Amino acid sequence: SAVISQKPSRDICQRGTSLTIQCQVDSQVTMMFWYRQQPGQSLTLIATANQGSEATYESGFVIDKFPISRPNLTFSTLTVSNMSPEDSSIYLCSVERTPNTDTQYFGPGTRLTVL
Amino acid sequence: DQQVKQNSPSLSVQEGRISILNCDYTNSMFDYFLWYKKYPAEGPTFLISISSIKDKNEDGRFTVFLNKSAKHLSLHIVPSQPGDSAVYFCAASASRGAQKLVFGQGTRLTINP
Repeated sequence: SAVISQKPSRDICQRGTSLTIQCQVDSQVTMMFWYRQQPGQSLTLIATANQGSEATYESGFVIDKFPISRPNLTFSTLTVSNMSPEDSSIYLCSVERTPNTDTQYFGPGTRLTVL
Repeated sequence: DQQVKQNSPSLSVQEGRISILNCDYTNSMFDYFLWYKKYPAEGPTFLISISSIKDKNEDGRFTVFLNKSAKHLSLHIVPSQPGDSAVYFCAASASRGAQKLVFGQGTRLTINP
């Protein structure tokens, strides 16, 4: 499995502000994924980030709200913009250690609370 | 539209007994299934997976069964241990390399001593 770290582990933010979440992997990976887990809900894919190209967003998620960067093969950021209380969730990044296996390994998550 | 469903939000099992967690899906295009375990304040940990060409996959105490005609899979844990207490998620993908996992809502398993 991959060693994945996320920063920050948790944060409390004010409505209308933005937060950037970092995801670092211990080895080079082609695809990185960002998920959201709202309270009491399942994990929902926000977008897929491929190094050197624009992220691919799932239905219901837009780049203006969740801009993603993927500057190299071991790092990605997700920004939650213009936050509202509805954005309070756990945000998780994941990677496929072996490409095209669909077995994803997850980071520890970032617990975001928006007041 | 919940394509992957775990209808039991919680399950309580005595230590040493078998734990059976269930998962149903509606999308007939799903052909790869995974189970993850999640402890509080941690990310999900991959447990075991199964391809649609199989009906059973075993790894130590964990066995996953797939019934394609019923669109149902289950995870068996034998024997159950206190460290197995966690939330378990099933996930599915449609075609290998699709890179999108669809998750169920999770089942909280509690192992009682």
